[in-house]
Amino acid sequence: KAGVTQTPRYLIKTRGQQVTLSCSPISGHRSVSWYQQTPGQGLQFLFEYFSETQRNKGNFPGRFSGRQFSNSRSEMNVSTLELGDSALYLCASSIGTGMSEQFFGPGTRLTVL
Amino acid sequence: AQKVTQAQTEISVVEKEDVTLDCVYETRDTTYYLFWYKQPPSGELVFLIRRNSFDEQNEISGRYSWNFQKSTSSFNFTITASQVVDSAVYFCALSEAAGANSKLTFGKGITLSVRP
Repeated sequence: KAGVTQTPRYLIKTRGQQVTLSCSPISGHRSVSWYQQTPGQGLQFLFEYFSETQRNKGNFPGRFSGRQFSNSRSEMNVSTLELGDSALYLCASSIGTGMSEQFFGPGTRLTVL
Repeated sequence: AQKVTQAQTEISVVEKEDVTLDCVYETRDTTYYLFWYKQPPSGELVFLIRRNSFDEQNEISGRYSWNFQKSTSSFNFTITASQVVDSAVYFCALSEAAGANSKLTFGKGITLSVRP
């Protein structure tokens, strides 16, 4: 069974630009969550989507947004990039929401210059 | 608000030593789940275990064992006879049942280095 895939793996952008990251969950999984990992703040929850609906949102500014498609694939978008947005963005998928086991992808390493 | 504290930041051991990684959590919920994840240098988080708040039985899986104690709000992880391949960052995480959401609150992680 293929795992969670994330594209691209690495990305370099400049301040003010916007970026879109993609996540394909494990086949059959309907929930996708996004996390930001930085050396200073650690792993922080961004949002969760289930059946194309955002179920939960972390404490991030509105520049961070996401969506989920009918095939459960998810994208997250960051507009007006700031230097502090440089991070590893991890996507996790699970069969359902709630206490389902979450499987993580390899992440997208975003560098903002 | 939920919180996970991993007071140890870095641990270095020699191969074959036993090592215990500590995790203390805070939550107001009576129903919650605790997790341990491993993050090798490749970056991908690897699921190790999930434990619900009503199951305080200790669990052993090969060289890994977990000790869950609600009385002290701790969920500690022990690696017996450590190996070089165990070198990674280990995260403890908490998920509350309220709202049936999947949000994980992570600790800061413990960097484990196992020297040959």
